[in-house]
Amino acid sequence: AQSVTQLGSHVSVSEGALVLLRCNYSSSVPPYLFWYVQYPNQGLQLLLKYTSAATLVKGINGFEAEFKKSETSFHLTKPSAHMSDAAEYFCAVSPSGGNEKLTFGTGTRLTIIP
Amino acid sequence: SAVISQKPSRDICQRGTSLTIQCQVDSQVTMMFWYRQQPGQSLTLIATANQGSEATYESGFVIDKFPISRPNLTFSTLTVSNMSPEDSSIYLCSVSPGVYEQYFGPGTRLTVT
Repeated sequence: AQSVTQLGSHVSVSEGALVLLRCNYSSSVPPYLFWYVQYPNQGLQLLLKYTSAATLVKGINGFEAEFKKSETSFHLTKPSAHMSDAAEYFCAVSPSGGNEKLTFGTGTRLTIIP
Repeated sequence: SAVISQKPSRDICQRGTSLTIQCQVDSQVTMMFWYRQQPGQSLTLIATANQGSEATYESGFVIDKFPISRPNLTFSTLTVSNMSPEDSSIYLCSVSPGVYEQYFGPGTRLTVT
C-alpha cells in the first residue's frame, strides 16, 4: 500500500524566510505525488503535482517541490514566505495518476510570523 | 479544471437523524469521490462513486451508514445516516476530470449534537 508521511504537524517561519514542508512517501510502484493547500474554512486547492515528467515541479503561488527517488521525498518549498501562505498543507499520493483514490498525509499547519 | 459546489455548506444536526449532502460539478466527470476530514485530522476516502455503477466503499465505511447516489455525470449525494457526535466532520466531494487531476469542493461542515 502507498502512504505519505509529513514530518512536523506545525511549522512556523518568519515572513520573507524560506518555507520547507517535508513529505516522504512509501510506494512499491512509481508514485504520483501531490501537494494541496487548505485555507481556513475552505476546501482543498491543488498546489502542484509530480507525474514523472520532471523531478522539479513548479506550482502556484511560488511553491515548488522536488521528487527525490533516492530519498523517497517530495518536500515543498517556497523561497520567501508571505502572510497569505498561512494554511494547512497536505501531501498526497496516488498509485495511478490522481484519478483514483488519494492517500493523504496528516497535514502541516504553516504559521507565518510577521 | 472543475468547479464544484456542495450543499449545505454547514449544518448542525441532532443525533439519530440523517443528513444528505449534495455535490454538483460544472462539467461531466466519470469519477467522483467522497472524503471525510475529522476535526484536526487529514482526509480519509469514504467511497468512490462512478456513474452507472454502485459506489465502492473503503474499509471502515459501509453503505448503510453512508449511502451514495450518482444519478448522472454532474451530481452526487452522500447521506450520513443515524448520526452520532463522532460523525462531526467536514465532508468533501472531489472529481477527477482527467489523469493527474483531482479537484475538491468547499466541503460541508457537519456538527452532530
